[in-house]
Amino acid sequence: AQSVTQLGSHVSVSEGALVLLRCNYSSSVPPYLFWYVQYPNQGLQLLLKYTSAATLVKGINGFEAEFKKSETSFHLTKPSAHMSDAAEYFCAVSGQTGANNLFFGTGTRLTVIP
Amino acid sequence: DAGVTQSPTHLIKTRGQHVTLRCSPISGHKSVSWYQQVLGQGPQFIFQYYEKEERGRGNFPDRFSARQFPNYSSELNVNALLLGDSALYLCASSSSTSTFQETQYFGPGTRLLVL
Repeated sequence: AQSVTQLGSHVSVSEGALVLLRCNYSSSVPPYLFWYVQYPNQGLQLLLKYTSAATLVKGINGFEAEFKKSETSFHLTKPSAHMSDAAEYFCAVSGQTGANNLFFGTGTRLTVIP
Repeated sequence: DAGVTQSPTHLIKTRGQHVTLRCSPISGHKSVSWYQQVLGQGPQFIFQYYEKEERGRGNFPDRFSARQFPNYSSELNVNALLLGDSALYLCASSSSTSTFQETQYFGPGTRLLVL
């Protein structure tokens, strides 16, 4: 069965500081992993996805994530936080059992301090 | 191009009532999935439909049902509403269901409040 665990329900960083949001996965098969962002009162927007082509994945808005099989991790980073990055971030893994469904983590709320 | 659209945006119902939520996928997308997002949690998979057939179902009671129409739009129906059904209901579309790396594009959601 596939699942993800997001460490830290709330993360606060200063504007301009490094953003690091943690995600660990559990999967019985090589995983497909996704990061989505959710702004207040909106749906989910795809930031990036890992599909085994490259371990370092670059996404939109300056975000990137590195797939580390040995650590079963897929942490999301951004070198310099911007006020507009304040949002809820969700890590997800593909179900890979018939339906093309996603299993989401519980989310990490990012606050950016000016 | 228009993204995934959902209607209504907000809905208030009372316990025991029935609700129908609607979703229109991105043009050209044939797969629609429904997710429930309870406040403070990540989305949970309810259904996936592809070419009008159910391709997958999450761990939800039979009170939840869905269907997909020939134009690939979809409806989610919930009967005998409970307080615990209060949530943001998200619809996602993808171009196919053939690969598990397929990106799902989400709509803005319908926020349902059950009183």
